[in-house]
Amino acid sequence: DTGVSQDPRHKITKRGQNVTFRCDPISEHNRLYWYRQTLGQGPEFLTYFQNEAQLEKSRLLSDRFSAERPKGSFSTLEIQRTEQGDSAMYLCASSPGQGLYNEQFFGPGTRLTVL
Amino acid sequence: AQSVTQLDSHVSVSEGTPVLLRCNYSSSYSPSLFWYVQHPNKGLQLLLKYTSAATLVKGINGFEAEFKKSETSFHLTKPSAHMSDAAEYFCVVSERIRSQGNLIFGKGTKLSVKP
Repeated sequence: DTGVSQDPRHKITKRGQNVTFRCDPISEHNRLYWYRQTLGQGPEFLTYFQNEAQLEKSRLLSDRFSAERPKGSFSTLEIQRTEQGDSAMYLCASSPGQGLYNEQFFGPGTRLTVL
Repeated sequence: AQSVTQLDSHVSVSEGTPVLLRCNYSSSYSPSLFWYVQHPNKGLQLLLKYTSAATLVKGINGFEAEFKKSETSFHLTKPSAHMSDAAEYFCVVSERIRSQGNLIFGKGTKLSVKP
C-alpha cells in the first residue's frame, strides 16, 4: 500500500505523559499536514511542512506541541504534558505540492485518549 | 477569512432516492472546494474537487457538486443513494492564492441511508 500511513493507530496515555506520533506520507509528496479532529467536528489544521521546513502553524498548536520532518520524508508530532483536552484523532495528510488545487491524501489517523 | 458552513448535521434518505448535502462557503480569494467522505474507522477520502475548469464537478461513486459563485454554494448531490453511501461528508475550502493550502473543513454532515 502506497498511501499515507500513521503509527500508532491508537494511543491511551495518562495526563501529564508525553506522546509521539509518526506519519509516513506518500513517497515524493513535498507537503505534509497535521490536523486534529474531535468528536462531532471536522478536522482542524495544526501545521504544515514543505519538505523539511515547517511553514505554517495554527494558533491551536500550543507550546506543548512540536512537529518535525527532519529529512523531508516522515514526520513526528509530539505532545508534552498531555491534558484531557488533547484527546482527539490526529490526522496526517500529504500532497504533491504542485499546482494550485492542493488535493490532500489522508492517513487513517491516530486516536489519542488521555485519561 | 475562509469558512465553510454545512447546513445540515444529519441527513437521512431511503435507498434509491436522491441525496442532497448542502454547503456554503466564504472566501476572500478564488477558492478551491472539495468534498471528502469519512467512513467509520477509515481515513478521509476525496470525493471530488472544484478547480474552476467547470462549475459542475463529477466525482467518484456517482456524486457530483455544482459551484455557484452568486450563491457561494457547493452542494453535493447523487441521483440514487446506496447503502454504502452511509458516512460522514465534509465540505472543504482552500484559498488557492494566499494560503499554503491548508484545508478548512465544515463540521460535517452524517448521511444515513435506510433500506
